[in-house]
Amino acid sequence: TQLLEQSPQFLSIQEGENLTVYCNSSSVFSSLQWYRQEPGEGPVLLVTVVTGGEVKKLKRLTFQFGDARKDSSLHITAAQPGDTGLYLCAGGGTSGSRLTFGEGTQLTVNP
Amino acid sequence: DAGVIQSPRHEVTEMGQEVTLRCKPISGHNSLFWYRQTMMRGLELLIYFNNNVPIDDSGMPEDRFSAKMPNASFSTLKIQPSEPRDSAVYFCASSFTLRGPGDTQYFGPGTRLTVL
Repeated sequence: TQLLEQSPQFLSIQEGENLTVYCNSSSVFSSLQWYRQEPGEGPVLLVTVVTGGEVKKLKRLTFQFGDARKDSSLHITAAQPGDTGLYLCAGGGTSGSRLTFGEGTQLTVNP
Repeated sequence: DAGVIQSPRHEVTEMGQEVTLRCKPISGHNSLFWYRQTMMRGLELLIYFNNNVPIDDSGMPEDRFSAKMPNASFSTLKIQPSEPRDSAVYFCASSFTLRGPGDTQYFGPGTRLTVL
């Protein structure tokens, strides 16, 4: 069974601070996705990375896929209250579209 | 497109009753997923279908849970009989599977189920 561990589970910071969320596994994934979920809604895809070592930027968010495709990180620069939400990483296998989700990181950015 | 549609949004029922959750995937998508989300266990995959055929139901908790997809535009998840430990938010998601990495799953708004 492929497992993804996210850390930290909870993070509360002040507006303007930087933060990094980690997603680790002992298994290799063919892709790694990050989703954000807001209260009362389903998760929404932020980014997909498929190549070991790949780095993608989405405004103030930077996503990295580890060289061995076993881990990933999400870095947010100058966090804003609108970044508040549950961040989920999800690993994809080599066949089909089944995803394995991490437990999530609940981020709160205080104004 | 309206996105993935789930109904009802909220369901409160008593232990022992039958519960049916419904999902309409995005038109043109060929894969459909049912997830359950709780504080303790996070987001768990229950079952997924590809081209209306169940591919992996290993996440279905027990025989009380069943899922069907009679056509490409409709799926149901049924719990009979329901128990308090089934209380959770149930999500349906759909995707267009190209048999490659990185397929995007589009989630519905979820059904919050409370079993008393």
